[in-house]
Amino acid sequence: KNEVEQSPQNLTAQEGEFITINCSYSVGISALHWLQQHPGGGIVSLFMLSSGKKKHGRLIATINIQEKHSSLHITASHPRDSAVYICAVRRMGGGSNYKLTFGKGTLLTVNP
Amino acid sequence: EPEVTQTPSHQVTQMGQEVILRCVPISNHLYFYWYRQILGQKVEFLVSFYNNEISEKSEIFDDQFSVERPDGSNFTLKIRSTKLEDSAMYFCATAGDGNEKLFFGSGTQLSVL
Repeated sequence: KNEVEQSPQNLTAQEGEFITINCSYSVGISALHWLQQHPGGGIVSLFMLSSGKKKHGRLIATINIQEKHSSLHITASHPRDSAVYICAVRRMGGGSNYKLTFGKGTLLTVNP
Repeated sequence: EPEVTQTPSHQVTQMGQEVILRCVPISNHLYFYWYRQILGQKVEFLVSFYNNEISEKSEIFDDQFSVERPDGSNFTLKIRSTKLEDSAMYFCATAGDGNEKLFFGSGTQLSVL
């Protein structure tokens, strides 16, 4: 069983829709990261969370430590949001801050 | 925004050959990482490097792999004798502080024939 599970695996939306991507993990963590991987392969760090909620522009990330669950929301989605969104966790006592365990990613396609 | 630069963007090599992948971190960053992503699979942590030494490595990072910062600027990943299964996209990432945002390079696509 993967330690980090994302759902859905693929998501297609129409421009303007509200998007939710989910991440569940099975280990104790000290931080959770949301990353965006562009079609060309480049990776951008979006959020690092250890509790609560963070917002940046149209992106909102939340985490529930007790339920071992995090969500990434995109409001007013746009075709340029099309990318793979990856959840990654740093295990409790896991040494380096960025020794991360990654999910398989969610491929988001936003159609105009 | 500052950038992490990786070279080359693509590298094709024969099995058994040595390859060196290069990364130029953001200038004031102190924490360096290598990750890899085999085609169609998830990203995997390889190694973290701080204060001129390896701070942590994964089980993937065996004796065939090494990292160094030879001139205080470039951060390199060397694979001594490449295998077919080393074919992957290799990402360098750096951070100024262990708790700051992580910046990724655009990756080196390594193909071992």
